[in-house]
Amino acid sequence: SQELEQSPQSLIVQEGKNLTINCTSSKTLYGLYWYKQKYGEGLIFLMMLQKGGEEKSHEKITAKLDEKKQQSSLHITASQPSHAGIYLCGAVSNLEYGNKLVFGAGTILRVKS
Amino acid sequence: DTGVSQNPRHKITKRGQNVTFRCDPISEHNRLYWYRQTLGQGPEFLTYFQNEAQLEKSRLLSDRFSAERPKGSFSTLEIQRTEQGDSAMYLCASSSNRQGYEQFFGPGTRLTVL
Repeated sequence: SQELEQSPQSLIVQEGKNLTINCTSSKTLYGLYWYKQKYGEGLIFLMMLQKGGEEKSHEKITAKLDEKKQQSSLHITASQPSHAGIYLCGAVSNLEYGNKLVFGAGTILRVKS
Repeated sequence: DTGVSQNPRHKITKRGQNVTFRCDPISEHNRLYWYRQTLGQGPEFLTYFQNEAQLEKSRLLSDRFSAERPKGSFSTLEIQRTEQGDSAMYLCASSSNRQGYEQFFGPGTRLTVL
C-alpha cells in the first residue's frame, strides 16, 4: 500500500522567513493534494498537482510535484502568523480519479511574530 | 454557506452506546467520502460513495460501522456499541468530476467515548 512521509514533523519559524515542507511517496504519485488544517477543525484545500514537474502557486504558497522522485514540496514565502497550522499531503492511491486519498502524518507549523 | 457540513460537531458518549453522524456534501457533488483522524495522524480512509452506491470500504470499517447515502445526497455514519478506540475526528469530504475530483472537507465530528 502507498505511504506518504512528511518532513519535517514540525517546525517553528520567525515571521517573514521562508520555509519548505516535503512529502515523499513510497509509490508513484498520480495526484498529490495539499491541505491545511487548524487544530480540531476540518481540512482546507490548498492545491492539487497531477503532472510531473507541475508547479502551482496561491498567494505566498507554492507547491511542486517531482514525479521522478515521487516527491512534492510546499514552499511558503515570507511566512505570517496566519500560515500557522498543520499541513497535510494526500495522494491518490491509484489511477482512478475520485478515489480515496492516502495522507501523510502532517507537518505542524508555528510562526513566531 | 455552500460547503460540506457535518453534524454534530462534537459527540460525547459512553462505551457501548450507538452514535450516528450526518454529512451534507456540496450540492451536486456525486462522490462522498468518510475519513477518520486520530491525534497526530493524517486522515485515514473509511469508505466512499458515488451517488447512492457505496463503492469501497476500508478494513478499518468493522462490522460495528455502517454508512449510508440513501438518496445520493446526505450520508450517515453509524457506530454501534462504541469502544474507547473509536474516539477520533470523523471527517466527511465530497467531490465532483466537474471539479477534477478535488476533495473538499467538512469541519468534522469529534467523537469522545468515555
